[in-house]
Amino acid sequence: GENVEQHPSTLSVQEGDSAVIKCTYSDSASNYFPWYKQELGKRPQLIIDIRSNVGEKKDQRIAVTLNKTAKHFSLHITETQPEDSAVYFCAAGDSGSARQLTFGSGTQLTVLP
Amino acid sequence: EPEVTQTPSHQVTQMGQEVILRCVPISNHLYFYWYRQILGQKVEFLVSFYNNEISEKSEIFDDQFSVERPDGSNFTLKIRSTKLEDSAMYFCASSVNRGGETQYFGPGTRLLVL
Repeated sequence: GENVEQHPSTLSVQEGDSAVIKCTYSDSASNYFPWYKQELGKRPQLIIDIRSNVGEKKDQRIAVTLNKTAKHFSLHITETQPEDSAVYFCAAGDSGSARQLTFGSGTQLTVLP
Repeated sequence: EPEVTQTPSHQVTQMGQEVILRCVPISNHLYFYWYRQILGQKVEFLVSFYNNEISEKSEIFDDQFSVERPDGSNFTLKIRSTKLEDSAMYFCASSVNRGGETQYFGPGTRLLVL
């Protein structure tokens, strides 16, 4: 089955700096890669996703890149703000089946004011 | 904006008791999922459900677990005889279509087994 590795497990940045979180996946059939933000005690909220037919997607301060050959994808947050502090999870899924999402282990991002 | 809802938000139960966790998926969604998250760990898939039957399940989803769509709106997860290690946050999610579509998560039910 799919295995998703996520790094780093914790990340602290100064407000205004950029943050990058990286994930790798193992199953070449995976073609859907969402990123979820989870604040303490809350539900995971989708912040951005990318499908394997594109290499990069951007939404304001958030961008995701995908390298299908290397089987890795990354989340980039620019101009970080304290409210970006949360746990971020990457995930991988396959649109060709009813398969679930396989999540990475999460990154605790702390933005220091 | 429609959201997935779950009840109860918290459930405390004694080991060996049965619990039923309830979810109301977004109304036009066809695929439903249960995930669990042990405190401080990643979200883990339990089961997916479509057209009134299980589509896929993980190794976690053993004979103690069952899912049901008892009516047109609810989607339930039953744990027949709870164990201490079942203590976790249980998230329901739904999507319009399968796999490659956005899954929307409910707020979760925190289950504590004593």
